[in-house]
Amino acid sequence: EIVMTQSPAILSVSPGESATLSCRASQSVSSDLAWYQQKPGQAPRLLIYGASTRATGIPARFSGSGSGTEFTLTITSLQSEDFAVYYCQQYNDWPPYTFGQGTKLEIK
Amino acid sequence: EVQLVESGGGLVQPGGSLRLSCAASGFTFISYEMNWVRQAPGKGLEWVSYISSSGSTIYHADSVKGRFTISRDNGKNSLYLQMNSLRAEDTAVYYCARRWNWFDRWGQGTLVTVSS
Repeated sequence: EIVMTQSPAILSVSPGESATLSCRASQSVSSDLAWYQQKPGQAPRLLIYGASTRATGIPARFSGSGSGTEFTLTITSLQSEDFAVYYCQQYNDWPPYTFGQGTKLEIK
Repeated sequence: EVQLVESGGGLVQPGGSLRLSCAASGFTFISYEMNWVRQAPGKGLEWVSYISSSGSTIYHADSVKGRFTISRDNGKNSLYLQMNSLRAEDTAVYYCARRWNWFDRWGQGTLVTVSS
């Protein structure tokens, strides 16, 4: 089973600034990596797939990068609606699909 | 508009059973593989089960293998999760999710609480 590890667990950033979230896989997942955003009381929403491709309707301030075992989600010019929990997920080697434990992006 | 609507959650005693449903609309259901993903209160996401578009291939997480069964009825555009021998640790919001390699659409979830 591929273990996904996200860091940091909590990230405090001011609106208008940028945030960088990290995700590491225990073995290579190529570019088979997705990022999801989840707000309180809501279902997860797909942000990024293929490590760097934005899903339909996702603003350009969200960008993903990386391949192999190291991945990054960058959010520039943070808006109030961006403060949420973010999860990475690998779909290279399954079952099982595995998710990171999440990074909570909070307002500083 | 793509919609996934889960139902069937509720309070059940340990050892009990529950059947979750997910009604799909706005897309060609038979063309998509589907999954169940759960989230325990205050915790992260855990994949539970997968079913192929035809229903011929099924996978379950080790944590639910032998107790949960995923199924689908393509004629009714519906996905199901039969949950037996429920445990306290199965308490979670259960989401159905459409698969396109990644999980591109999710339902709003249904809460299952296992408690005496």
